[in-house]
Amino acid sequence: AQSVTQLDSQVPVFEEAPVELRCNYSSSVSVYLFWYVQYPNQGLQLLLKYLSGSTLVKGINGFEAEFNKSQTSFHLRKPSVHISDTAEYFCAAILNTGFQKLVFGTGTRLLVSP
Amino acid sequence: KAGVTQTPRYLIKTRGQQVTLSCSPISGHRSVSWYQQTPGQGLQFLFEYFSETQRNKGNFPGRFSGRQFSNSRSEMNVSTLELGDSALYLCASSLEPAYNEQFFGPGTRLTVL
Repeated sequence: AQSVTQLDSQVPVFEEAPVELRCNYSSSVSVYLFWYVQYPNQGLQLLLKYLSGSTLVKGINGFEAEFNKSQTSFHLRKPSVHISDTAEYFCAAILNTGFQKLVFGTGTRLLVSP
Repeated sequence: KAGVTQTPRYLIKTRGQQVTLSCSPISGHRSVSWYQQTPGQGLQFLFEYFSETQRNKGNFPGRFSGRQFSNSRSEMNVSTLELGDSALYLCASSLEPAYNEQFFGPGTRLTVL
């Protein structure tokens, strides 16, 4: 089974609409969870991270995510998207193997149209 | 503070050649990780270096190697290039190994012809 699963390869949405990008993780990973964004021809930028504490994590650019242990999920949300949010979004986690290796989901392309 | 820099940004090589990519981490960061990004396989972990020692290695053949210098700069080398090695190679640095925030460079786009 995939360690980190992003079921939606692409999410189209209209500008100013809310969006949720889904991420589920398996028991093979720790609960150190991350969301990264990648704009075209650029590297990855950290949006937010969950290491411990409050299950609702706020990040940059108005994004937030909620850690849900019972559902093994870490979904990313934004109440109102902008055209500039069009990018690829990656959920990631640290593998729970004793080696602190970052594993990524397959990514979700967010397409914001006017 | 300057971000992670990677050189070169673009490379074109032919099959059988070898290539060396360079990564300069953020000042003060001692951990450097490398990732390969392709449309088919997504983001895959190559290896991680900390204090000049390879701490962790992904599932890549021995043609892929790396090293880290005393100033934390890192290089990765790919020998006997294959068409399938065409990818975006990303470097990330962090203060300590991976559970802290990793800062990514812009990547090196390698094309193998």
